[in-house]
Amino acid sequence: GNSVTQMEGPVTLSEEAFLTINCTYTATGYPSLFWYVQYPGEGLQLLLKATKADDKGSNKGFEATYRKETTSFHLEKGSVQVSDSAVYFCALSAGGTSYGKLTFGQGTILTVHP
Amino acid sequence: GAVVSQHPSRVICKSGTSVKIECRSLDFQATTMFWYRQFPKQSLMLMATSNEGSKATYEQGVEKDKFLINHASLTLSTLTVTSAHPEDSSFYICSAERGLESLNEQFFGPGTRLTVL
Repeated sequence: GNSVTQMEGPVTLSEEAFLTINCTYTATGYPSLFWYVQYPGEGLQLLLKATKADDKGSNKGFEATYRKETTSFHLEKGSVQVSDSAVYFCALSAGGTSYGKLTFGQGTILTVHP
Repeated sequence: GAVVSQHPSRVICKSGTSVKIECRSLDFQATTMFWYRQFPKQSLMLMATSNEGSKATYEQGVEKDKFLINHASLTLSTLTVTSAHPEDSSFYICSAERGLESLNEQFFGPGTRLTVL
């Protein structure tokens, strides 16, 4: 079946530090990959996505590249801010009969200190 | 952006009672909504796919008679936890799908915290 494995947290960084949150996946076929962010008290929001191999998703300074050879979709940001403190979820959508269904990783709590 | 609301945000009930959770898409129509369950420090687990005007499709291991889903309109889906027990205590999250493109985007509600005493 499909699965997503995320870097365990929590992750604590100082403002302006470099961020990497690892994500690897197992899926049949060619899934689409996503990063969602959940700010305190709010619902999950789509942060970025990539639909095919070598695609790079980017948004708000965050980036992730769809690596088929390593089945990975690591999230990176060059300089984090306090406002980036949230829970980050990696997810995949396998398509086909599973179209629309998302499989999530366990989430990584990020805390950024001033 | 698209907004999805859930009501109530938290509910405490006695064992054996039933609890209804509403999920609404406020500014778009959603033919498909999804219901997830999230345990503490764990991932979101898809429970069922809800399609407007038809029966919900449940994931393996999810009891249909326990978790009743009704998608009566293009903006409302409800999840009823019947005869709730303490093990049903969890965080329930819905999402609504928007768009007709090949890859629709899901918009998530803020979640409902259910505690069964």
